[in-house]
Parts: sequence; C-alpha cells; structure tokens
Amino acid sequence: GAVVSQHPSRVICKSGTSVKIECRSLDFQATTMFWYRQFPKQSLMLMATSNEGSKATYEQGVEKDKFLINHASLTLSTLTVTSAHPEDSSFYICSARGQGLVNTEAFFGQGTRLTVV
Amino acid sequence: AQSVTQLDSQVPVFEEAPVELRCNYSSSVSVYLFWYVQYPNQGLQLLLKYLSGSTLVKGINGFEAEFNKSQTSFHLRKPSVHISDTAEYFCAVSEGGYNKLIFGAGTRLAVHP
Repeated sequence: GAVVSQHPSRVICKSGTSVKIECRSLDFQATTMFWYRQFPKQSLMLMATSNEGSKATYEQGVEKDKFLINHASLTLSTLTVTSAHPEDSSFYICSARGQGLVNTEAFFGQGTRLTVV
Repeated sequence: AQSVTQLDSQVPVFEEAPVELRCNYSSSVSVYLFWYVQYPNQGLQLLLKYLSGSTLVKGINGFEAEFNKSQTSFHLRKPSVHISDTAEYFCAVSEGGYNKLIFGAGTRLAVHP
C-alpha cells in the first residue's frame, strides 16, 4: 500500500503553546485527508476532512479555531493545535486518499501522541 | 445515523486457537465495512474491507470476515492465531467508501502462549 508519514510521532508541549502536526503522502497525491483523534483506550473520532486547496470540513463539536487544518498541497496537510491545554492531550492520526472514487483506499499515518503539560 | 458496536472489549485466546471478533452496525443505507488493526503507538492498517460483491471477504494475515446484511454484522475470524496477532482491532462503517469512517470502540485481542 501507499505510505503516509506523520511527524512528529511524539510531542510534549507546555499549556498555552501551539503545536503543528504534519501528514505527508509519500508516493501518491492525496486529494483528501482526514484527521482523527483517539483518546486512551477509546476509538478514533473523525475531527475534520480536508480537500486540497479548500477549507476543511469540521465534524460537529470540533472547534475549527482551535484545530487549524491546512491542506495546501497534494502531499501535505497540517493540523495545528492552538493554545493547547492538557485536555487536548491525545493521539492524533491522519489518513490520506488519492484521486478517484470514494472507494479509493485511504491510508493511515502512524499517529502523533500529543502531551500537554 | 450510523453506529458500530464491537461487542467485546477484550478477547483473550491461546496461540493456535481460532478467534472471532464481533462487530454489529446500524445504518439506514448501504454501507461499506472495514476492519483495521492497530499495534501499540502506531497508526491503523487495513485488514480487509467489504464494498460490494461476495459477502465473505479475505484479508491479510489470514483474517476473513463475513458480511451478514440480515443480522447487520461483520464479524472477523481467524482459524489459528499467532502471538503477533496481539493488537487492537477496529471495525468501521461508512456510507461512502473511505469518506467519514465511523469506528467501533475496538477489541483488544490478547494471544497467550
């Protein structure tokens, strides 16, 4: 399968600072990227969907001003957690899908564990 | 609205024994169904998927699943598990391919020697 790389894999930041997480498709052009959040011992919850060159579509209950998503190129999407607080500590995972019909497979990155202290 | 229920949060099993991880879903329209595996601190890897066609789907690592529309189930099975199968398994459903996957809570498969 195709490769999706997330960076960093782990990050610790102080409360009140911002953190940027990158999601890159290494060997295909990702027209659509998805950002998920996973709390400990829980399932993944979709946060937002972004299409290259367009504004992201956020799921209900997700603060778009707090979780800034940029998808400026076909190989890179970023998630910025602004003014992070301890409750934002979580495992963030992206997935990327190339061009084609909706049943074109989406591939997941390895995730980023964010700890806010 | 769609939802996914994974009936078992944990499944302990001995090596080389068969295993079934249960998944039920609810949806008012046709669905696509997926099983993913997650190893500690890693992303998700697709095990198998049902989009259309044969209801018995074979995936990687010897896993298979059967789509049962009447019972709204998509249970995952493996006839003989290995220690390396120890991981978290997620069932997911969507109404549109890989768009907006709705995940179940996950099942922790623990394979013991």
